[in-house]
Amino acid sequence: DVKVTQSSRYLVKRTGEKVFLECVQDMDHENMFWYRQDPGLGLRLIYFSYDVKMKEKGDIPEGYSVSREKKERFSLILESASTNQTSMYLCASSLLQNFGYTFGSGTRLTVV
Amino acid sequence: RKEVEQDPGPFNVPEGATVAFNCTYSNSASQSFFWYRQDCRKEPKLLMSVYSSGNEDGRFTAQLNRASQYISLLIRDSKLSDSATYLCVVTQTSGNTPLVFGKGTRLSVIA
Repeated sequence: DVKVTQSSRYLVKRTGEKVFLECVQDMDHENMFWYRQDPGLGLRLIYFSYDVKMKEKGDIPEGYSVSREKKERFSLILESASTNQTSMYLCASSLLQNFGYTFGSGTRLTVV
Repeated sequence: RKEVEQDPGPFNVPEGATVAFNCTYSNSASQSFFWYRQDCRKEPKLLMSVYSSGNEDGRFTAQLNRASQYISLLIRDSKLSDSATYLCVVTQTSGNTPLVFGKGTRLSVIA
């Protein structure tokens, strides 16, 4: 089975801090995704990547950036954390973008 | 019009009941369809793909109606462990584009 690992389960950061969320997958998948999930809003796509060093904006990229230096690792960066970025962040990977995704267990980020 | 729409629920049903969820999608070019299950404070997990001819996996049956642009999930003989949020997921086109997730339908199975 594909395993998608997110580095932290819970994270508390201060407003203005630079925050790195790491995601690693072990099945040589081409595609990786970052979502945030908030009550009543569902899953919203932040960024995705279909190849090393490639990135595409999703529906809500503002305030975020990403890095994909290696195929197995996709990092989400909050350049200057704000309280409205408090959320559950979910990483996913897939062989093809229209295949089913495998999600990591999520990082619950609180910005204070 | 939202791309994928689901009734948020909650659906509160007794154990043993049969319950069905529908989901409508707006893009007639969508090619692939899935149901995901998400337990409280956990990540979504693939429950089943939805095929044109309909498909069954144990107590779960998924169907696709392309003409009306909806998919459905039927759960028979509900168990307490079926309590979760069920997400409807569709592709946007046949190309390499991200899946579109519905906001989910919450199911509570009550003893």
